[in-house]
Amino acid sequence: TQLLEQSPQFLSIQEGENLTVYCNSSSVFSSLQWYRQEPGEGPVLLVTVVTGGEVKKLKRLTFQFGDARKDSSLHITAAQPGDTGLYLCAGNYGQNFVFGPGTRLSVLP
Amino acid sequence: DTAVSQTPKYLVTQMGNDKSIKCEQNLGHDTMYWYKQDSKKFLKIMFSYNNKELIINETVPNRFSPKSPDKAHLNLHINSLELGDSAVYFCASSHSGEQFFGPGTRLTVL
Repeated sequence: TQLLEQSPQFLSIQEGENLTVYCNSSSVFSSLQWYRQEPGEGPVLLVTVVTGGEVKKLKRLTFQFGDARKDSSLHITAAQPGDTGLYLCAGNYGQNFVFGPGTRLSVLP
Repeated sequence: DTAVSQTPKYLVTQMGNDKSIKCEQNLGHDTMYWYKQDSKKFLKIMFSYNNKELIINETVPNRFSPKSPDKAHLNLHINSLELGDSAVYFCASSHSGEQFFGPGTRLTVL
């Protein structure tokens, strides 16, 4: 069974701070996605990383895929209240996806 | 235009009833999914269809029956609803390893 773990489970920070959340597995995935989910809505895809060691940037968000394609991190610079939400990572193998339990981020003004 | 749509958004029903949730995607994707998100927000895959054929069927009670009339639609029918079926159900479609989710259907079984 492919499992993904995310840490921390909860994170509450002040506006302007930096943060990093992690997604770890003992399994290798062909790709890994990060999603953000807001209350009452479906997860929204932020990024897909495919190559081991790959780094992608999306404005203030930096995503990294581990060299062994088993783990990933999401770093947010100068967090804003609009970044508040549930951050989910998902590993892809074939046509299957397995999701981590999520990191619930709260950015206080 | 909504990429992945689901109806209804909310569904409140009595235990023992039968209900359906509909899903449509206009992205032209071949693969569609149903997920269940529980109260702890854990998102778990239930079914996956590729071009109208079932390819993933996780350990789900056979009271749940997906139906795909064409590759743009994947509906979920649930028989004899139980209290534990209360959750948010998400439909998704995928292409090249990326998924796009619908807005979810919050099912409450009383």
